[in-house]
Amino acid sequence: KAGVTQTPRYLIKTRGQQVTLSCSPISGHRSVSWYQQTPGQGLQFLFEYFSETQRNKGNFPGRFSGRQFSNSRSEMNVSTLELGDSALYLCASSWPRTADTQYFGPGTRLTVL
Amino acid sequence: GQQVMQIPQYQHVQEGEDFTTYCNSSTTLSNIQWYKQRPGGHPVFLIQLVKSGEVKKQKRLTFQFGEAKKNSSLHITATQTTDVGTYFCASNAGGTSYGKLTFGQGTILTVHP
Repeated sequence: KAGVTQTPRYLIKTRGQQVTLSCSPISGHRSVSWYQQTPGQGLQFLFEYFSETQRNKGNFPGRFSGRQFSNSRSEMNVSTLELGDSALYLCASSWPRTADTQYFGPGTRLTVL
Repeated sequence: GQQVMQIPQYQHVQEGEDFTTYCNSSTTLSNIQWYKQRPGGHPVFLIQLVKSGEVKKQKRLTFQFGEAKKNSSLHITATQTTDVGTYFCASNAGGTSYGKLTFGQGTILTVHP
């Protein structure tokens, strides 16, 4: 099976812009979670989608949003980018029968200038 | 919400030495998971522990979950250069929150040949 894929892998934006990141889960996986990884804050949970519904949400401002499509592919959007949004954004998918095992994608490295 | 503290932040060892990283929580955890992230890579699931006092082994790696389910450890015997990376513990609240992982800060392991 193909692993979790994320596009794009690298992105450079300027403050005030918005960005959309994409995640394709492993075939058959219905849950997609998003995480932000920074050297200072570590790995922080953003949100999780299951069957096109946001099921869990982390403590991030409303500038961070996401959605999931009927094929389980997910996107996250960050509006009005700030310098502090520079990070590695990771998505992870999981399968209902092995619910606790999360499979991470390679991440999107976002740099905000 | 759940919080997990992980120590040490860094560990430098000579190849062949043992390595241990510890996770602690002030609250009882539903489970504990361990992930490894190689430099430049993404987190990869290693194992999950759910039972009080559980011990699991994977070759040179030994994982323990405390009796009170508030702490966990990962021990590597006779480290090799392939063990280099950051080791994270993580936990979710169980139930429909399995997609929301709370990560420890990670322990960065360096192995000198």
